[in-house]
Amino acid sequence: DQQVKQNSPSLSVQEGRISILNCDYTNSMFDYFLWYKKYPAEGPTFLISISSIKDKNEDGRFTVFLNKSAKHLSLHIVPSQPGDSAVYFCAASSLGQGAQKLVFGQGTRLTINP
Amino acid sequence: DAGVTQSPTHLIKTRGQQVTLRCSPISGHKSVSWYQQVLGQGPQFIFQYYEKEERGRGNFPDRFSARQFPNYSSELNVNALLLGDSALYLCASSLAKGLAASSYEQYFGPGTRLTVT
Repeated sequence: DQQVKQNSPSLSVQEGRISILNCDYTNSMFDYFLWYKKYPAEGPTFLISISSIKDKNEDGRFTVFLNKSAKHLSLHIVPSQPGDSAVYFCAASSLGQGAQKLVFGQGTRLTINP
Repeated sequence: DAGVTQSPTHLIKTRGQQVTLRCSPISGHKSVSWYQQVLGQGPQFIFQYYEKEERGRGNFPDRFSARQFPNYSSELNVNALLLGDSALYLCASSLAKGLAASSYEQYFGPGTRLTVT
């Protein structure tokens, strides 16, 4: 039962263009969503988060959009840079349920081409 | 500021053995969570501890146990190792205090790569 899904295993984008990574979830109890970036042999690095009371959160080149009715979120990176090449995970949590358990998607490998 | 630290970095064990992994959270963080990541998948939640008490447990067998110490560091123990326990074990810490959602953002350590042969 995959509650958080990233349906694109990989994405290739030209440097300077916009990268859009997508994530779908099924559990309507999720109320907090996060994006992480992971390089090989390192732990995931927190990028940006969004609460279910918002539909957009922006931090520099990174913007996360949340569509609660569609149970869909996306991460926009603009402009894309070579250092953005990594695996990106979306994660979801239910803050009101005690344990701050993060449920992760399978990840999307982003490659930025020069 | 030091981030989340984990030790050891790599570990090779034989089936049936026991292993202990260690984690030190970011200073001031009182919550520690453990995750298992196998190749090609996202991390899976194992445990969360807050103020030395277990707050949550994922779908893992009783061979997995953990504890949190008064200084908020944590250990994950796995008994009777199986080949399928080979994975990257990640520790994450968070403030987990108050009402701000941002205090529940989890920050990960570099992980311990466990290989069971």
